[in-house]
Amino acid sequence: NAGVTQTPKFRVLKTGQSMTLLCAQDMNHEYMYWYRQDPGMGLRLIHYSVGEGTTAKGEVPDGYNVSRLKKQNFLLGLESAAPSQTSVYFCASRRGQGWNQPQHFGDGTRLSIL
Amino acid sequence: DQQVKQNSPSLSVQEGRISILNCDYTNSMFDYFLWYKKYPAEGPTFLISISSIKDKNEDGRFTVFLNKSAKHLSLHIVPSQPGDSAVYFCAASGMDSSYKLIFGSGTRLLVRP
Repeated sequence: NAGVTQTPKFRVLKTGQSMTLLCAQDMNHEYMYWYRQDPGMGLRLIHYSVGEGTTAKGEVPDGYNVSRLKKQNFLLGLESAAPSQTSVYFCASRRGQGWNQPQHFGDGTRLSIL
Repeated sequence: DQQVKQNSPSLSVQEGRISILNCDYTNSMFDYFLWYKKYPAEGPTFLISISSIKDKNEDGRFTVFLNKSAKHLSLHIVPSQPGDSAVYFCAASGMDSSYKLIFGSGTRLLVRP
């Protein structure tokens, strides 16, 4: 059981380039989330999805777009990468409604923008 | 403005002793709290949670205490083991059907053999 898988694990981009980070979960979870973690800070929510075909903005959505075309996949896009987007990105999923359902995280994508 | 604060960036404890990690929050609408553990190069792993209707929850060596009036929660690890050395994040969720989490900045725990 793979759980939450993030692709790629590492990437270096030049300013202005675009890329897509892929998150895949095999637990049939309804909810999915994208976070970024910067040094000395906690995880901050970028975008999230409460079900297939839905997306919503989180705390720090600027410069990112997302899509949830399939229930098991949640894509995070950077249209024009900026050095401020250098970070570690984590994807998480959650089963569904109910307060006692923790989020399950992938191992992260380390992204450097030069 | 940070809604969830972990004011101790690091903590060092002797193996076998108790580790106490603290977390404060400012939003009185939070009603579900979680602790996550994170090793380097891995994602956060869920450890334990507590609902606002409780003041204590135990799971083996881990106990979380919630003081709603003080807007404070703590994680106790007894006895501490070297394998517990990791970064611990406190997170909170409010009455929102998105179940979004607000994270603290983390506390790095070192358990010395």
